[in-house]
Amino acid sequence: DAGVIQSPRHEVTEMGQEVTLRCKPISGHDYLFWYRQTMMRGLELLIYFNNNVPIDDSGMPEDRFSAKMPNASFSTLKIQPSEPRDSAVYFCASSFGTVRDTQYFGPGTRLTVL
Amino acid sequence: AQRVTQPEKLLSVFKGAPVELKCNYSYSGSPELFWYVQYSRQRLQLLLRHISRESIKGFTADLNKGETSFHLKKPFAQEEDSAMYYCAPAISNYQLIWGAGTKLIIKP
Repeated sequence: DAGVIQSPRHEVTEMGQEVTLRCKPISGHDYLFWYRQTMMRGLELLIYFNNNVPIDDSGMPEDRFSAKMPNASFSTLKIQPSEPRDSAVYFCASSFGTVRDTQYFGPGTRLTVL
Repeated sequence: AQRVTQPEKLLSVFKGAPVELKCNYSYSGSPELFWYVQYSRQRLQLLLRHISRESIKGFTADLNKGETSFHLKKPFAQEEDSAMYYCAPAISNYQLIWGAGTKLIIKP
């Protein structure tokens, strides 16, 4: 099992452009989490899904951020328009059951907005 | 508000010395507590959880409800322990809150 898969691994874009990050969770996991990691704020939960349904998006910083999970094997995090302050590492994680079960993290996408 | 504090951003100790990474949380309930670790060029992964009362890679973590702490300890540090460590209490069935992390460097 390749674990949680994220693409792209690195993304460099210019301010104002749309950015789409992708995640494939581990098969059979029913929870999917999107996190953002920065030096200033550490690891922050942006949104999580249960059985493809968004449960809590209170961590999404602004309306410029949106996330979807059209099926059990795919999720996207979109930023439109992107801004330099969005530069961070974005992680996707999945788990089976509640948060008390181990969360398995992807390798992350390092986003740089110029 | 729920909060978790890892007071040391960076901790540097010599190989063979004891290690203690501190974690304090503020939460009115009894959260389940986790330590996650990220080794260089590897994914963030679970190290241990309080409920399991386990020792992983020589690390243990004791919950002190009075002090609301969940410090991570190892009696003899090894070079391969160098990594970023995150304390993460579960405040509900669905959400962890994350500390800022402590970078542990083990000097040879």
